[in-house]
Amino acid sequence: DTGVSQDPRHKITKRGQNVTFRCDPISEHNRLYWYRQTLGQGPEFLTYFQNEAQLEKSRLLSDRFSAERPKGSFSTLEIQRTEQGDSAMYLCASSPGLAGQPYEQYFGPGTRLTVT
Amino acid sequence: AQSVTQLDSQVPVFEEAPVELRCNYSSSVSVYLFWYVQYPNQGLQLLLKYLSGSTLVKGINGFEAEFNKSQTSFHLRKPSVHISDTAEYFCAVTGFQKLVFGTGTRLLVSP
Repeated sequence: DTGVSQDPRHKITKRGQNVTFRCDPISEHNRLYWYRQTLGQGPEFLTYFQNEAQLEKSRLLSDRFSAERPKGSFSTLEIQRTEQGDSAMYLCASSPGLAGQPYEQYFGPGTRLTVT
Repeated sequence: AQSVTQLDSQVPVFEEAPVELRCNYSSSVSVYLFWYVQYPNQGLQLLLKYLSGSTLVKGINGFEAEFNKSQTSFHLRKPSVHISDTAEYFCAVTGFQKLVFGTGTRLLVSP
């Protein structure tokens, strides 16, 4: 049973650089979510996809952030012109996601970003 | 809008003692509740969930939680904790899409 995977697990970058993270969900799951978790806090919702459609974006997702799920399978999260405040754990989750049904979300191990 | 309040940021407890981690929620729509556990430098693992039906739900690792609609609570309990239960615990609420998490409770189990 393959769970949610994320790559890379750790990323150190200099302020102003662009970074891209990848998430591979559980294969039969059509919903994919991105969350951000800063030290001592719970995860905060960033965005989610139903198949390839991006259905909701948080106000936390500034113009420097973009997410894609081009074929309804894996997803990428890109941060342009990184700032020190972007340092956080970026978590990806997936769920079966039939409309009108609540499902638990399965989380990946996360990508820890450090901006120096 | 939905929100979750976890009243205790840290709960110290001795091994084999019982523990309760408190969670209160606010929601204007249908409520579905979850408890997740996070070990250091790892993602979140589902402990248990309340979607409907019995208000007492049992999860993995001997944990259980009770949904109380009148008190808008979903407290997590374990009758006897182990050292390995030391971790961060998050309560979360959802309608049908995104999860809204509390700030977490760090459970510290000592010998």
